[in-house]
Amino acid sequence: QSALTQPPSASGSPGQSVTISCTGTSSDVGGYNYVSWYQQHPGKAPKLMIYEVSKRPSGVPDRFSGSKSGNTASLTVSGLQAEDEADYYCSSYAGSNRVFGTGTKVTVL
Amino acid sequence: QLVESGGGLVQPGGSLRLSCAASGFTFSTYSMNWVRQAPGEGLEWLSYISSSSSTIYYADSVKGRFTISRDNAKNSLYLQMNSLRDEDTAVYYCARGPFAAFDIWGQGTMVTVSS
Repeated sequence: QSALTQPPSASGSPGQSVTISCTGTSSDVGGYNYVSWYQQHPGKAPKLMIYEVSKRPSGVPDRFSGSKSGNTASLTVSGLQAEDEADYYCSSYAGSNRVFGTGTKVTVL
Repeated sequence: QLVESGGGLVQPGGSLRLSCAASGFTFSTYSMNWVRQAPGEGLEWLSYISSSSSTIYYADSVKGRFTISRDNAKNSLYLQMNSLRDEDTAVYYCARGPFAAFDIWGQGTMVTVSS
């Protein structure tokens, strides 16, 4: 099972929006509505930000939103804040596997 | 919360057993996973076990070498790692949840494979 493809980096100024893509195949992202997104700060465990493509766990700001089209899922962070600077990973259910994305480092300029 | 333990330094070819202690939720009703992260690298899903242990999956990279198990009476998850290789060096996390939606993670335990 190959990792999902994410851009290595993304950036934006405070208040702006940034969108991260996550490209897989019809066997993972395109085949199921079970795409999740995680935020990870240095030295910390990942934190679930989005699940089932577009649902937010309790406590996650509505600045974070998710979507999917075909084999590509996306995470949008609106109204960027300094604390949003982190690594972001997508993941997808793939039947008997679960697969993570390659990760995207988001920098707040 | 989830708390991993059992990491450490092990020689190539050696074995190690990781544990994950759960608290604050009804452990026996949730599926669980192991995920690792090599130094400076991304996340890699390793293994899944259903709430009753009836369904178990492994990533190809660890199939045949690692064994996931759980003891619902002890609120604990385990990962038995055999035939360890240099490339198994990583922080190992246990994580709760099905379908790649891991909503609770432990703090991780470091495993270093080196001679």
